[in-house]
Amino acid sequence: QSVLTQPPSASETPGQRVTISCSGSSSNIGSNYVHWHQQLPGTAPKLLIYRNNQRPSGVPDRFSGSKSGTSASLAISGLRSEDEADYYCAAWDDSLSGVIFGGGTKLTVL
Amino acid sequence: EVQLVESGGGLVQPGGSLRLSCAASGFIFSDHYMDWVRQAPGKGLEWVGRTRNKAKSYSTDYAASVKGRFTISRDDSKNSVYLQMNSLRTEDTAVYYCVRVQVGSSGVFFDYWGQGTLVTVSS
Repeated sequence: QSVLTQPPSASETPGQRVTISCSGSSSNIGSNYVHWHQQLPGTAPKLLIYRNNQRPSGVPDRFSGSKSGTSASLAISGLRSEDEADYYCAAWDDSLSGVIFGGGTKLTVL
Repeated sequence: EVQLVESGGGLVQPGGSLRLSCAASGFIFSDHYMDWVRQAPGKGLEWVGRTRNKAKSYSTDYAASVKGRFTISRDDSKNSVYLQMNSLRTEDTAVYYCVRVQVGSSGVFFDYWGQGTLVTVSS
């Protein structure tokens, strides 16, 4: 069982907006930045969002992140078929002295 | 271009050992912390451990699940990081990723991932 809690799946139709949640605690999300990684089928993960809401160069502005208290969320607008992937949130946990991941959310674009 | 290339994966029996390597290029390796992250078949991501840079005395941290069995080391002269895995268990079966860590005012996060190498622990 992951320390960060994500819904196992999400789905939406092309062009619509979807939000993926990530719930933690005071020792991780509550006191540290949250980062998001995208894993396309059969490939290695890739950084999508860092420092709660920052996009690396090359990531479309359709992807956005936010954080409030001990929860964070990833929003994807204008959904495209190529957004079908697994999405993972991650944060440092002060109590565990390590990086923790959410269990991942499999996004299906219907 | 940042590149991280893992090698050394394979089939090993329970209780055995294996050493993974990660060759880095395209950036100043010695400046960066480097991590290992694994993914069991069909499962999510699990952090394995970290080696920090010379400024942080090459200190290391490990996940509880591997502490005492796995050791991370690095050779800045070869732009490489290693994962020595001992006393392997079937539950260590996974793809192991080498990951570059970015440290700064934006926090500490993974900004580049290798392609991964598969480790299978089975008799």
